[in-house]
Amino acid sequence: AQTVTQSQPEMSVQEAETVTLSCTYDTSESDYYLFWYKQPPSRQMILVIRQEAYKQQNATENRFSVNFQKAAKSFSLKISDSQLGDAAMYFCAYRGSSGTYKYIFGTGTRLKVLA
Amino acid sequence: GAGVSQSPSNKVTEKGKDVELRCDPISGHTALYWYRQSLGQGLEFLIYFQGNSAPDKSGLPSDRFSAERTGGSVSTLTIQRTQQEDSAVYLCASARTPLAVTKNIQYFGAGTRLSVL
Repeated sequence: AQTVTQSQPEMSVQEAETVTLSCTYDTSESDYYLFWYKQPPSRQMILVIRQEAYKQQNATENRFSVNFQKAAKSFSLKISDSQLGDAAMYFCAYRGSSGTYKYIFGTGTRLKVLA
Repeated sequence: GAGVSQSPSNKVTEKGKDVELRCDPISGHTALYWYRQSLGQGLEFLIYFQGNSAPDKSGLPSDRFSAERTGGSVSTLTIQRTQQEDSAVYLCASARTPLAVTKNIQYFGAGTRLSVL
């Protein structure tokens, strides 16, 4: 069975600085998808970025980028120029490429942004 | 609708009562998922619908939990004889279709916070 591990329950970053959130996963599949979702206090899960495992190039969305290491089964999220609005829970999620496409989530990292 | 809508936003109930949680997915999305988010935990999968059928119910924690979907749209998650351990946020997500794998992204509602006293 697939598992997703986020080992940092909480992280803090100074406004305008860079922070990296860690995520590791375990799977025997060769083709899969990885996601980072943001959950602010409103509880609304917002897709931040996604990565297809067959792509070697790391995904980037504006200030958000990932470091995808397939062999190491690692998928970290880097947030550059952190803003107060980035404060939220961040969840890493795995989805296989067959079956029901349900997500397997990590336990989340709470990010605090300090002014 | 513009997004996934869930109701009620918050629900407080007494132990032993039945509750119904509603999810209204994005129009045209055939796939619908229910997840549960307990305090300090990630989201755990409960059930998946494709249209009105539920090919994967493997995450339902007990037979007190059931769900249905009608008209390929609205879904209801029912918890019978609620227990305190059922207290959690129940999130619903929908996706256009699971077949378009590369484009399949789940869009989430804001969830229902269930508190069982």
